[in-house]
Amino acid sequence: EDKVVQSPLSLVVHEGDTVTLNCSYEVTNFRSLLWYKQEKKAPTFLFMLTSSGIEKKSGRLSSILDKKELFSILNITATQTGDSAVYLCAVGGRRAGGTSYGKLTFGQGTILTVHP
Amino acid sequence: DTGVSQNPRHKITKRGQNVTFRCDPISEHNRLYWYRQTLGQGPEFLTYFQNEAQLEKSRLLSDRFSAERPKGSFSTLEIQRTEQGDSAMYLCASSRSSQETQYFGPGTRLLVL
Repeated sequence: EDKVVQSPLSLVVHEGDTVTLNCSYEVTNFRSLLWYKQEKKAPTFLFMLTSSGIEKKSGRLSSILDKKELFSILNITATQTGDSAVYLCAVGGRRAGGTSYGKLTFGQGTILTVHP
Repeated sequence: DTGVSQNPRHKITKRGQNVTFRCDPISEHNRLYWYRQTLGQGPEFLTYFQNEAQLEKSRLLSDRFSAERPKGSFSTLEIQRTEQGDSAMYLCASSRSSQETQYFGPGTRLLVL
């Protein structure tokens, strides 16, 4: 059964700090890893990673995947109070023919709180 | 894109009643997914459709749960004989079949008393 574990489960920082969120996974026939941000409503998409070692970057957020060690990290630099949210990591698998399973398996999430 | 929409946003019901939720995906997306999320947990996959076809169902989806997508556009999720353990946020997502990224709706929060 596919499994995703995120750490830490919660994190409290002050504005301006840099944080690193971790995601490790076990999935049959890995296809992709996705990061989402959830603020009391629907998860909003941040990044999708499929290849090892290629950093994805968007403003102060960046993420990288290590397919050998089966983990990903999400970095947030110069944190702001608006970054306070739950950050979810999810993985998608694929069938023998290469098409995706469709479903995503999510981790428990990391609750990030940024104080002014 | 107008985004994924879900109705109702909140539902309170008594144990034993039936409830139905609706999801309207992003218009050009042919895949539609249902997830359930309880407090402090990540979303758990329930089922998904490609066009009208229901391609996968989780073991979490008991016989009391049924989902349909009759014309390959909107979908409904029905829970019969609700139980207190069904209280959760029910999330719908959609995607193109050629792309991995799933886009989520605002969810329907169900409370079973």
